Amino acid sequence: QVQLHESGPGLVKPSETLSLTCTVSGGSISSYFWSWIRQSPGKGLEWIGHLYYTGNTDYNPSLRSRVTMSLDTSKTQFSLRLTSVTAADTAVYYCARDDSRFPRAATYWGQGALVTISS
Amino acid sequence: EIVLTQSPGTLSLSPGERATLSCRASQSVSSSYLAWYQQKPGQAPRLLIYGTSSRATGIPDRFSGSGSGTDFTLTISRLEPEDFAVYYCHHYGTSPWTFGQGTKVEIK
Repeated sequence: QVQLHESGPGLVKPSETLSLTCTVSGGSISSYFWSWIRQSPGKGLEWIGHLYYTGNTDYNPSLRSRVTMSLDTSKTQFSLRLTSVTAADTAVYYCARDDSRFPRAATYWGQGALVTISS
Repeated sequence: EIVLTQSPGTLSLSPGERATLSCRASQSVSSSYLAWYQQKPGQAPRLLIYGTSSRATGIPDRFSGSGSGTDFTLTISRLEPEDFAVYYCHHYGTSPWTFGQGTKVEIK
């Protein structure tokens, strides 16, 4: 059973860097589309970007200048870095992975990590 | 960027009734890459439908998806108590991938 679990600081100061890690169990870290998606409190879902296992990345243009995603196959982890954060970046951050039966569609999700941007 | 507009914003229905949710795209979307998700409070979204009309693993057949081009629909044939939730459409074809703003299905 594939399981994803996000971890990282729950509180980040404005202008600093948000860093989250998604630890994967029960499945390969290779292959698949690995995505980060966020949800501001009481709001809808926003696609941050994804990384294909080959290393190719695709980021939301609204965040592209501040986002970096990476895959660590040795640790079976998927990471997100978002620089120069503001209060608008306060959200629940989800990592997700597709399934070979449903290519690209985010099928497996973590439980989400709430990150608050505040001094 | 493809903007997905869902309607209605809120749907008030009783258990056993039929729910019809709409998702309209600002430009044509590949049917291969249109999905629907269900989200309950405090939970991550759950994939219901992918490729416009294919049900994901374990999804009951009361959920069905249809559509093409710019107009897509999620239908729940008979609402069960556990179906009251927020539903999002999502396109994952051309970049950037986007989500609709959601439709809340609430108990009338």
